[in-house]
Amino acid sequence: KNEVEQSPQNLTAQEGEFITINCSYSVGISALHWLQQHPGGGIVSLFMLSSGKKKHGRLIATINIQEKHSSLHITASHPRDSAVYICAVRGSRYGGSQGNLIFGKGTKLSVKP
Amino acid sequence: DTGVSQDPRHKITKRGQNVTFRCDPISEHNRLYWYRQTLGQGPEFLTYFQNEAQLEKSRLLSDRFSAERPKGSFSTLEIQRTEQGDSAMYLCASRGGTGELFFGEGSRLTVL
Repeated sequence: KNEVEQSPQNLTAQEGEFITINCSYSVGISALHWLQQHPGGGIVSLFMLSSGKKKHGRLIATINIQEKHSSLHITASHPRDSAVYICAVRGSRYGGSQGNLIFGKGTKLSVKP
Repeated sequence: DTGVSQDPRHKITKRGQNVTFRCDPISEHNRLYWYRQTLGQGPEFLTYFQNEAQLEKSRLLSDRFSAERPKGSFSTLEIQRTEQGDSAMYLCASRGGTGELFFGEGSRLTVL
């Protein structure tokens, strides 16, 4: 079993729909990242969370440390949101001097007009 | 543009040849990471630098792979005697004091 699991693996939505992508992890963490990867490879950091909730535009990320679960929500989805969304955690057992992230396999989102 | 640049963006080589990738991180970031990503998978950690010191290497990094960050600025990742299994996207990221990661566009390696 992977230490970071994302669901769903693939998601197709109609423009305007509310989207939720889930991430569960099994290790103690110091931070969780949500990343966006467009075709061609470039990765953009969307959020870094250690507790609670963050919002940026139409994107909302939440984390529940006790349940080891995070969600990424997209409101009023648009075709330009089509991308792979990756959850990554920094394990607390690695300590402050190390930077190893454990990545999920990603959720491929396709938003149809 | 995240501020992290990688070169070349795409490299096609024959099996057995050596290849080198370069990463220029955001100038004030002292932490630099290399990852490898194959199709349909999330990135996998390869190695990590804090300034010029290589602090951690994944067991994925066989003795054919070497990474350097000689002056704590840019970094290079060299693969010697490439194999077809080395075909992947090689991603570089830098991290500053806030902990947020900034990724380059990646260098795609195709080994024929």
